[in-house]
Amino acid sequence: QQQVKQSPQSLIVQKGGIPIINCAYENTAFDYFPWYQQFPGKGPALLIAIRPDVSEKKEGRFTISFNKSAKQFSLHIMDSQPGDSATYFCAASDGPSGSRLTFGEGTQLTVNP
Amino acid sequence: KAGVTQTPRYLIKTRGQQVTLSCSPISGHRSVSWYQQTPGQGLQFLFEYFSETQRNKGNFPGRFSGRQFSNSRSEMNVSTLELGDSALYLCASSFGSNTEAFFGQGTRLTVV
Repeated sequence: QQQVKQSPQSLIVQKGGIPIINCAYENTAFDYFPWYQQFPGKGPALLIAIRPDVSEKKEGRFTISFNKSAKQFSLHIMDSQPGDSATYFCAASDGPSGSRLTFGEGTQLTVNP
Repeated sequence: KAGVTQTPRYLIKTRGQQVTLSCSPISGHRSVSWYQQTPGQGLQFLFEYFSETQRNKGNFPGRFSGRQFSNSRSEMNVSTLELGDSALYLCASSFGSNTEAFFGQGTRLTVV
């Protein structure tokens, strides 16, 4: 079964810290890797996405690092804020764009004031 | 621009009944995907529709079905409901190939 492994399951940081969430995948056919943020009672919201021909991508305070040979990718949140407290999901797709996404298990991030 | 709209937001059904959930994609988006989210299994892909045709299907029993209309709106049906079908059902839309998917707020289904 195609899988995406995400760690850690939960993460607590202080305001201003840089939480890092890691994901690893098995299927080399995956070619699209988005990260989603989900607040309680809401649907996942797309944060940032990367394709395997790029090793790093930044959008605002969010950075994806991608290691194709290791089949790993990670999300860094710079200058984290209490409002960033949410559940973060990595995902991967071998289909067109965001279709047929395989999600990681999720990381519950808490940013303390 | 309006986002993905899912109705209803909450549903309570009895075991054995069937249920239909609705999803209106972002205007201009032609692809609609459905996902099931549970605490135990996480987010799992159900199926995807593009231009009224099912393009991909996840590993769910035949009790789960869907369709897409000419205006790209989609419905998902679950027949013979089981307690384990209690979940948040999410719909995501995208314009087409190689574009991002945007999720609705989901329909919370509780089977009693």
